[in-house]
Amino acid sequence: DAGVIQSPRHEVTEMGQEVTLRCKPISGHNSLFWYRQTMMRGLELLIYFNNNVPIDDSGMPEDRFSAKMPNASFSTLKIQPSEPRDSAVYFCASSLGRFQPQHFGDGTRLSIL
Amino acid sequence: GQQLNQSPQSMFIQEGEDVSMNCTSSSIFNTWLWYKQDPGEGPVLLIALYKAGELTSNGRLTAQFGITRKDSFLNISASIPSDVGIYFCAGQVDTGNQFYFGTGTSLTVIP
Repeated sequence: DAGVIQSPRHEVTEMGQEVTLRCKPISGHNSLFWYRQTMMRGLELLIYFNNNVPIDDSGMPEDRFSAKMPNASFSTLKIQPSEPRDSAVYFCASSLGRFQPQHFGDGTRLSIL
Repeated sequence: GQQLNQSPQSMFIQEGEDVSMNCTSSSIFNTWLWYKQDPGEGPVLLIALYKAGELTSNGRLTAQFGITRKDSFLNISASIPSDVGIYFCAGQVDTGNQFYFGTGTSLTVIP
């Protein structure tokens, strides 16, 4: 079975550039989550969608971050403009229902220079 | 948000030893999950617990849902090098709420 697929696996870019992270959830899963992981703060929930609709974006750090889910099989997390403090590993996860155990992708390691 | 504290933060053990770690919360939880994250990969669900006192095994791993419903425990028996990674707990206050993740326990197994 295909798990959650994230791309790219690694991204290195200069500050000020736009960054787009992509996620394909597990087929049939109705909920999708974006997390950020750093050494200092651990796993932080940024935003989650249920049936393609954003439910809670209170974890999104600031207006530079935006997320979309145009259909059930695709989501993007965009940072514009990027800053060095955005460097982290970004994970996407999906679940059968909003409150069911989540299955994670392998993450995107983002470095902003 | 909910605070989940994992203990210990890190462990260095010899291959073959047993491992114990725990997760505590300030609130009563209805569901506990345990994940393992290998270096460079995403967390993988190991065990899910849904009832106070429940004891569930997955191979050499055993997890328990604490009776107070404010804690959970994970044990690994006869550790092997591939057990290396970060172990996360996650808890849910009730079935209508999101999961909160702990800070993780980093495990190193010395061959």
